[in-house]
Amino acid sequence: AQSVTQPDIHITVSEGASLELRCNYSYGATPYLFWYVQSPGQGLQLLLKYFSGDTLVQGIKGFEAEFKRSQSSFNLRKPSVHWSDAAEYFCAVGARPGTASKLTFGTGTRLQVTL
Amino acid sequence: EAEVAQSPRYKITEKSQAVAFWCDPISGHATLYWYRQILGQGPELLVQFQDESVVDDSQLPKDRFSAERLKGVDSTLKIQPAELGDSAMYLCASSLESGRPYEQYFGPGTRLTVT
Repeated sequence: AQSVTQPDIHITVSEGASLELRCNYSYGATPYLFWYVQSPGQGLQLLLKYFSGDTLVQGIKGFEAEFKRSQSSFNLRKPSVHWSDAAEYFCAVGARPGTASKLTFGTGTRLQVTL
Repeated sequence: EAEVAQSPRYKITEKSQAVAFWCDPISGHATLYWYRQILGQGPELLVQFQDESVVDDSQLPKDRFSAERLKGVDSTLKIQPAELGDSAMYLCASSLESGRPYEQYFGPGTRLTVT
């Protein structure tokens, strides 16, 4: 069964500082990997995804993530955080194509940005 | 930009009452998902539809929850009777199809409080 671990429940960074959110996955083959962001009381917005190819993927809002097979990781990064980035971030893993292609989410990392 | 619509946004109900949530996916999206997100956790899939057919309802508590997508477009999730532990955010998502690389687009969710 697939699973996702986000070891950091809460992270605080200063505006303008760099950010890295950790994500480790468990899956028997090369997975589909996603990062979503959720503002309070809202649904989830897709930041970026990895399916295959280049292991460094670019997303919206200046985010990027790197797939490292040897470490089973898919960490999210941003070089300079803005106050509007404060939100909850979820990493998710999707099974390879099949009849039931569900996403399994981590428990999330809440990002707080100080001015 | 097309969005997934959900209603109501907020619902307060007493335990043992019935409650229903509605979702209208992005036009043309064949796959529809219902997730439950308990406070402080990531979303968990309850049921997945491909057109009008259920392809995964393994995590749906079938003694009290039901879901339908009669014409393969909009969908309703029902809980009867509601229990205190059902308090959560209920998220609907849609994607073009399952069985291939996909992106799931989420609606704003319905926040359910059972008293």
